[in-house]
Amino acid sequence: GAVVSQHPSRVICKSGTSVKIECRSLDFQATTMFWYRQFPKKSLMLMATSNEGSKATYEQGVEKDKFLINHASLTLSTLTVTSAHPEDSSFYICSARARGSTYNEQFFGPGTRLTVL
Amino acid sequence: AQSVTQLGSHVSVSEGALVLLRCNYSSSVPPYLFWYVQYPNQGLQLLLKYTSAATLVKGINGFEAEFKKSETSFHLTKPSAHMSDAAEYFCAVITYGQNFVFGPGTRLSVLP
Repeated sequence: GAVVSQHPSRVICKSGTSVKIECRSLDFQATTMFWYRQFPKKSLMLMATSNEGSKATYEQGVEKDKFLINHASLTLSTLTVTSAHPEDSSFYICSARARGSTYNEQFFGPGTRLTVL
Repeated sequence: AQSVTQLGSHVSVSEGALVLLRCNYSSSVPPYLFWYVQYPNQGLQLLLKYTSAATLVKGINGFEAEFKKSETSFHLTKPSAHMSDAAEYFCAVITYGQNFVFGPGTRLSVLP
């Protein structure tokens, strides 16, 4: 149980285009989903937290107009990188917290490698 | 605020040798602690977790970790390293109502 999927696993796009990444909880309801960014050989950096049906909360320094997050249902959150540029190239990982989680455990997706040319 | 430090950004061991990856945390309230492993271009896989039950926690792939409150540590060990253990390891702390805080990671290399 507690499986989180991400789609696509890898995407290459041209500079200026927008890219959407999906994060799904496959076998549980996720009241809260998280989006992380990971630079090469670095740890995970929390970008934003989203609760189902409400606006995402962005961490300091993360451009909310650049990284659009939608959490439309209890099993799906999307991250859209708008007008992507090469500096947006990174590994993006989502995680989900289950409804009723007793100690706030998060379950992580497999990640999406974004390369902007 | 909570924080995590991992001593040693890169650890090398010989195949069959003991693996010891260090993690120290800072938290003003009782924490929950996790170890994750990440293979290249993959997401995080949970190795084990401490959630205020037994202080010695056994995880997958032969790993275990011991929560020591007096030392604010949660070091990860494995008696005998295998080549397949080569990966990046992250320690993380979370307290109720807060988000995960990850350590900087330790890259484990296993030498033949």
